[in-house]
Amino acid sequence: EAQVTQNPRYLITVTGKKLTVTCSQNMNHEYMSWYRQDPGLGLRQIYYSMNVEVTDKGDVPEGYKVSRKEKRNFPLILESPSPNQTSLYFCASSYGTGGYEQYFGPGTRLTVT
Amino acid sequence: DAKTTQPNSMESNEEEPVHLPCNHSTISGTDYIHWYRQLPSQGPEYVIHGLTSNVNNRMASLAIAEDRKSSTLILHRATLRDAAVYYCILRDVPRDDKIIFGKGTRLHILP
Repeated sequence: EAQVTQNPRYLITVTGKKLTVTCSQNMNHEYMSWYRQDPGLGLRQIYYSMNVEVTDKGDVPEGYKVSRKEKRNFPLILESPSPNQTSLYFCASSYGTGGYEQYFGPGTRLTVT
Repeated sequence: DAKTTQPNSMESNEEEPVHLPCNHSTISGTDYIHWYRQLPSQGPEYVIHGLTSNVNNRMASLAIAEDRKSSTLILHRATLRDAAVYYCILRDVPRDDKIIFGKGTRLHILP
Protein backbone atom coordinates (compact mmCIF):
# COMPACT_ATOMS: atom_id res chain seq x y z
CA GLU A 1 0.00 0.00 0.00
CA ALA A 2 1.32 3.43 -1.00
CA GLN A 3 1.75 5.48 2.13
CA VAL A 4 3.62 8.05 4.16
CA THR A 5 4.39 6.96 7.71
CA GLN A 6 5.39 9.10 10.65
CA ASN A 7 6.76 8.10 14.04
CA PRO A 8 5.97 8.68 16.76
CA ARG A 9 2.31 9.62 16.41
CA TYR A 10 2.24 11.25 19.82
CA LEU A 11 5.11 12.64 21.86
CA ILE A 12 5.31 14.58 25.11
CA THR A 13 8.75 15.92 25.94
CA VAL A 14 10.47 18.59 27.97
CA THR A 15 12.12 21.81 26.90
CA GLY A 16 15.64 21.33 25.53
CA LYS A 17 15.57 17.55 25.05
CA LYS A 18 16.54 16.78 21.45
CA LEU A 19 14.04 14.75 19.46
CA THR A 20 13.56 13.39 15.97
CA VAL A 21 10.29 12.73 14.18
CA THR A 22 10.74 10.25 11.37
CA CYS A 23 8.96 10.31 8.02
CA SER A 24 9.15 7.57 5.43
CA GLN A 25 7.43 7.06 2.07
CA ASN A 26 7.30 3.94 -0.10
CA MET A 27 6.35 5.58 -3.41
CA ASN A 28 9.84 6.54 -4.66
CA HIS A 29 8.86 10.21 -4.48
CA GLU A 30 11.44 12.93 -5.14
CA TYR A 31 9.74 15.68 -3.16
CA MET A 32 9.08 15.71 0.56
CA SER A 33 7.90 18.40 2.98
CA TRP A 34 7.27 19.01 6.64
CA TYR A 35 4.35 21.15 7.86
CA ARG A 36 3.10 22.25 11.23
CA GLN A 37 -0.53 22.96 12.00
CA ASP A 38 -1.68 25.22 14.81
CA PRO A 39 -5.23 26.31 15.69
CA GLY A 40 -6.23 29.35 13.67
CA LEU A 41 -3.03 29.35 11.60
CA GLY A 42 -3.65 26.56 9.11
CA LEU A 43 -0.79 24.49 7.67
CA ARG A 44 2.63 26.11 7.45
CA GLN A 45 5.57 24.60 5.62
CA ILE A 46 8.72 24.12 7.70
CA TYR A 47 11.21 22.58 5.25
CA TYR A 48 11.07 20.83 1.93
CA SER A 49 13.37 18.62 -0.09
CA MET A 50 13.40 18.34 -3.86
CA ASN A 51 15.84 15.40 -3.95
CA VAL A 52 18.39 13.49 -1.91
CA GLU A 53 20.81 15.89 -0.19
CA VAL A 54 18.72 18.89 -1.36
CA THR A 55 16.74 20.69 1.33
CA ASP A 56 15.40 24.22 1.65
CA LYS A 57 13.52 26.41 4.08
CA GLY A 58 9.79 26.80 4.00
CA ASP A 59 7.78 29.45 5.79
CA VAL A 60 8.69 28.64 9.42
CA PRO A 61 12.08 26.87 9.58
CA GLU A 62 13.39 28.44 12.82
CA GLY A 63 14.18 25.85 15.49
CA TYR A 64 14.07 22.88 13.10
CA LYS A 65 16.56 20.86 11.10
CA VAL A 66 16.02 18.23 8.43
CA SER A 67 18.13 15.81 6.45
CA ARG A 68 17.58 13.81 3.27
CA LYS A 69 20.27 11.16 3.06
CA GLU A 70 18.08 8.69 1.21
CA LYS A 71 15.04 9.17 -0.98
CA ARG A 72 12.49 7.45 1.21
CA ASN A 73 13.27 9.17 4.54
CA PHE A 74 13.00 12.81 5.63
CA PRO A 75 13.42 13.17 9.42
CA LEU A 76 12.54 16.35 11.28
CA ILE A 77 14.94 17.23 14.08
CA LEU A 78 14.27 19.55 17.00
CA GLU A 79 17.66 20.00 18.67
CA SER A 80 16.36 22.08 21.58
CA PRO A 81 12.56 21.99 21.61
CA SER A 82 10.63 24.83 23.19
CA PRO A 83 6.96 25.09 24.22
CA ASN A 84 6.15 27.19 21.12
CA GLN A 85 6.94 24.11 19.02
CA THR A 86 3.98 22.29 20.54
CA SER A 87 1.98 21.52 17.43
CA LEU A 88 0.60 18.92 15.05
CA TYR A 89 3.20 17.97 12.43
CA PHE A 90 2.57 16.49 8.99
CA CYS A 91 5.01 15.02 6.53
CA ALA A 92 4.10 14.91 2.83
CA SER A 93 5.63 13.52 -0.34
CA SER A 94 5.02 13.80 -4.08
CA TYR A 95 6.55 12.56 -7.30
CA GLY A 96 7.22 16.12 -8.48
CA THR A 97 6.07 19.72 -8.17
CA GLY A 98 3.54 21.57 -10.29
CA GLY A 99 0.84 19.14 -11.30
CA TYR A 100 1.70 16.34 -8.88
CA GLU A 101 -0.42 15.66 -5.81
CA GLN A 102 1.01 15.47 -2.32
CA TYR A 103 0.43 12.47 -0.08
CA PHE A 104 0.27 13.29 3.61
CA GLY A 105 1.20 11.23 6.63
CA PRO A 106 -1.18 10.73 9.58
CA GLY A 107 0.44 13.43 11.70
CA THR A 108 2.53 13.62 14.87
CA ARG A 109 1.16 15.47 17.85
CA LEU A 110 4.03 16.98 19.82
CA THR A 111 3.75 18.59 23.23
CA VAL A 112 6.77 20.37 24.72
CA THR A 113 6.46 21.25 28.41
CA ASP B 1 5.37 33.30 -3.23
CA ALA B 2 1.87 33.28 -4.67
CA LYS B 3 -0.91 33.22 -2.12
CA THR B 4 -4.56 32.33 -2.14
CA THR B 5 -7.55 33.76 -0.27
CA GLN B 6 -10.61 31.78 0.72
CA PRO B 7 -13.67 32.47 2.87
CA ASN B 8 -13.21 31.30 6.46
CA SER B 9 -16.34 29.18 6.47
CA MET B 10 -19.30 28.13 4.37
CA GLU B 11 -22.46 26.21 4.97
CA SER B 12 -24.47 24.00 2.67
CA ASN B 13 -27.38 21.61 2.84
CA GLU B 14 -26.88 17.92 2.38
CA GLU B 15 -27.43 16.62 -1.15
CA GLU B 16 -27.05 20.07 -2.67
CA PRO B 17 -24.12 21.33 -4.77
CA VAL B 18 -21.40 23.33 -3.06
CA HIS B 19 -19.22 25.95 -4.72
CA LEU B 20 -16.05 26.81 -2.80
CA PRO B 21 -14.26 29.91 -4.15
CA CYS B 22 -10.56 30.73 -4.14
CA ASN B 23 -8.82 33.90 -5.26
CA HIS B 24 -5.23 33.82 -6.49
CA SER B 25 -4.71 37.18 -8.18
CA THR B 26 -0.88 36.91 -8.22
CA ILE B 27 -0.80 33.49 -9.88
CA SER B 28 2.08 32.94 -12.30
CA GLY B 29 1.85 31.23 -15.66
CA THR B 30 3.40 28.02 -14.33
CA ASP B 31 1.39 27.72 -11.09
CA TYR B 32 -0.92 24.73 -10.84
CA ILE B 33 -4.05 25.17 -8.71
CA HIS B 34 -4.51 22.36 -6.18
CA TRP B 35 -7.31 21.63 -3.73
CA TYR B 36 -6.92 19.54 -0.62
CA ARG B 37 -9.31 18.79 2.19
CA GLN B 38 -8.75 17.84 5.79
CA LEU B 39 -11.33 15.78 7.60
CA PRO B 40 -11.42 15.99 11.40
CA SER B 41 -8.41 14.31 13.06
CA GLN B 42 -6.81 13.38 9.74
CA GLY B 43 -4.04 14.60 7.49
CA PRO B 44 -4.90 16.60 4.38
CA GLU B 45 -5.95 14.61 1.32
CA TYR B 46 -5.73 15.56 -2.33
CA VAL B 47 -8.97 16.48 -4.07
CA ILE B 48 -8.18 17.86 -7.53
CA HIS B 49 -5.81 20.10 -9.46
CA GLY B 50 -5.66 22.00 -12.74
CA LEU B 51 -3.64 24.46 -14.78
CA THR B 52 -5.93 26.26 -17.23
CA SER B 53 -8.86 24.04 -18.20
CA ASN B 54 -11.72 22.89 -16.01
CA VAL B 55 -11.17 19.44 -14.50
CA ASN B 56 -13.45 16.69 -13.26
CA ASN B 57 -12.74 13.62 -11.16
CA ARG B 58 -14.75 11.26 -9.01
CA MET B 59 -14.58 13.58 -6.00
CA ALA B 60 -15.22 17.01 -7.45
CA SER B 61 -14.92 19.48 -10.32
CA LEU B 62 -12.57 22.41 -10.62
CA ALA B 63 -13.62 25.48 -12.54
CA ILE B 64 -10.79 27.89 -13.40
CA ALA B 65 -11.47 31.46 -14.48
CA GLU B 66 -10.25 32.46 -17.90
CA ASP B 67 -7.69 34.88 -16.43
CA ARG B 68 -6.74 32.18 -13.84
CA LYS B 69 -7.03 34.68 -10.98
CA SER B 70 -9.74 32.65 -9.31
CA SER B 71 -11.07 29.12 -9.19
CA THR B 72 -14.02 27.25 -7.74
CA LEU B 73 -14.16 23.77 -6.29
CA ILE B 74 -17.52 22.18 -6.95
CA LEU B 75 -18.91 19.32 -4.91
CA HIS B 76 -21.86 18.19 -6.95
CA ARG B 77 -23.91 16.63 -4.17
CA ALA B 78 -22.62 17.30 -0.68
CA THR B 79 -22.86 14.62 1.99
CA LEU B 80 -22.18 14.85 5.71
CA ARG B 81 -18.81 13.19 5.04
CA ASP B 82 -17.77 16.24 2.99
CA ALA B 83 -17.67 18.40 6.12
CA ALA B 84 -14.00 19.38 6.29
CA VAL B 85 -11.52 22.22 5.86
CA TYR B 86 -10.80 22.80 2.17
CA TYR B 87 -7.49 24.32 1.11
CA CYS B 88 -6.68 25.93 -2.22
CA ILE B 89 -2.94 26.17 -2.94
CA LEU B 90 -0.64 26.99 -5.81
CA ARG B 91 2.26 24.78 -6.80
CA ASP B 92 4.89 25.96 -9.27
CA VAL B 93 7.04 24.05 -11.73
CA PRO B 94 9.80 23.31 -10.66
CA ARG B 95 11.83 26.27 -9.42
CA ASP B 96 11.18 25.52 -5.78
CA ASP B 97 8.54 23.76 -3.73
CA LYS B 98 7.53 26.47 -1.31
CA ILE B 99 3.85 25.92 -0.64
CA ILE B 100 1.55 28.25 1.26
CA PHE B 101 -1.59 26.56 2.52
CA GLY B 102 -3.39 29.37 4.28
CA LYS B 103 -6.28 28.75 6.67
CA GLY B 104 -8.70 27.21 4.19
CA THR B 105 -12.51 27.19 4.22
CA ARG B 106 -14.34 25.20 6.86
CA LEU B 107 -17.34 23.62 5.16
CA HIS B 108 -20.35 22.79 7.32
CA ILE B 109 -22.97 20.44 5.89
CA LEU B 110 -26.48 20.71 7.30
CA PRO B 111 -28.59 17.52 7.35
